[in-house]
Amino acid sequence: AQSVTQLGSHVSVSEGALVLLRCNYSSSVPPYLFWYVQYPNQGLQLLLKYTTGATLVKGINGFEAEFKKSETSFHLTKPSAHMSDAAEYFCAVRDSGGYQKVTFGTGTKLQVIP
Amino acid sequence: EPEVTQTPSHQVTQMGQEVILRCVPISNHLYFYWYRQILGQKVEFLVSFYNNEISEKSEIFDDQFSVERPDGSNFTLKIRSTKLEDSAMYFCASSEGTAADTQYFGPGTRLTVL
Repeated sequence: AQSVTQLGSHVSVSEGALVLLRCNYSSSVPPYLFWYVQYPNQGLQLLLKYTTGATLVKGINGFEAEFKKSETSFHLTKPSAHMSDAAEYFCAVRDSGGYQKVTFGTGTKLQVIP
Repeated sequence: EPEVTQTPSHQVTQMGQEVILRCVPISNHLYFYWYRQILGQKVEFLVSFYNNEISEKSEIFDDQFSVERPDGSNFTLKIRSTKLEDSAMYFCASSEGTAADTQYFGPGTRLTVL
């Protein structure tokens, strides 16, 4: 069974500071990993995903994440936070074994302080 | 850019009533999904649908739920007899095909059961 743990339900950073949102996963087969963002009263938008190949994945809005198999982690980073980054971020995992189900973490709300 | 659309955006119903939530997936996609997000909780998988049949479902998706693709464009979720605990945001998603493919989410339908 696959699962996702996101450390910190709320994270606050100053505008211009580094953003680091943590995600650890468990999966019985090589995983596909995703980060989605949800702005208030909106749906889920894909930020980036890892399937195979390069372990450092770049996404939209300057975000990137690194797949570390040895640590079973897929942390999301952005060098410099912008006010528009304030949203809820969900890490998600999907087994590569053909199953369609995506399992989401509990989410991290990012607050950006001016 | 193609997107998943959902109607209505908000549905209010009385306990015990039937509701149908509608989705129009991206036109060339082959897999369709429903997820739900109870307020303040994580996004949970309900069901996936491919080739006019359910390919995977969660334990949440009991006999009260059904899905259908009544024509070439719509994908519906029916809840036969709603309960208070069915109140949630329901997201439809679609993907092209393989497990590595991104699931694109619609904006959601907020269901309120009174």
